[in-house]
Amino acid sequence: GAVVSQHPSWVICKSGTSVKIECRSLDFQATTMFWYRQFPKQSLMLMATSNEGSKATYEQGVEKDKFLINHASLTLSTLTVTSAHPEDSSFYICSAISREYEQFFGPGTRLTVL
Amino acid sequence: AQKITQTQPGMFVQEKEAVTLDCTYDTSDPSYGLFWYKQPSSGEMIFLIYQGSYDQQNATEGRYSLNFQKARKSANLVISASQLGDSAMYFCAMMPLSGNTPLVFGKGTRLSVIA
Repeated sequence: GAVVSQHPSWVICKSGTSVKIECRSLDFQATTMFWYRQFPKQSLMLMATSNEGSKATYEQGVEKDKFLINHASLTLSTLTVTSAHPEDSSFYICSAISREYEQFFGPGTRLTVL
Repeated sequence: AQKITQTQPGMFVQEKEAVTLDCTYDTSDPSYGLFWYKQPSSGEMIFLIYQGSYDQQNATEGRYSLNFQKARKSANLVISASQLGDSAMYFCAMMPLSGNTPLVFGKGTRLSVIA
C-alpha cells in the first residue's frame, strides 16, 4: 500500500518554542492531507484539512495562528506548533488521500512540551 | 454530520476465542464507507477492514470480518481466533464517499487478549 511518513517521530521541546512536523506522501500525490491530534487514552480528533496550494481549513476550537499548516506541494504538508505549551503535548497524526480517495495514515509524531 | 459510537471502553478475550467489537453510526450521507483501525501502543494506525454502504456482502479480511447491518446502522468487528498480538486499541471510523473528506472516529475499544 501507499506510504505516508512523518518527521520527527517524537520531539521534546521547551515551552515557548515552535515545532515543525512534516507529513510526506512517499509514492503518491495527495491534494488533501488531514491533521489529527490524539490525547492519551482518547480518540483521534481532526484539527485541520490541508489542501495543496490553498489555505488550510481548521476545525472549530483549533487556533489557526497557533497551528500553522503549509501544504506547499502535492507530497508535503507541514504543521508548525507555535509557542508550544505543555497542554499542546499530544500525538499528532497526518493522513493523505490518494487520487482514488484512499486515506493513508502517517506513523504519528509524539510531542512533549516541557 | 457523521457520528460513530463505540460503547465498549474495554474488552477482554481469551486467546484463540472470537470477540466482537461494537460500532454504531449515524449519517445523512447516502453513500459512505466504514473502517476499522487497530492502534497498538506504538501509535500507528493500522487499517484492518473496509465496508462500503452499498456492498451487499459483509467484508472479510483474514481473521477480521465486519458484521454490517445497514438498517440498524451497525458495523461490528469480529476477530476470530484471537492472538496475544491483537491486544490494542480498536477504532471504528466512517467517511462519506463524496470526495476528499476526513474520517470520523469513535472513541475506541481497548482489547486485551489473555493467555
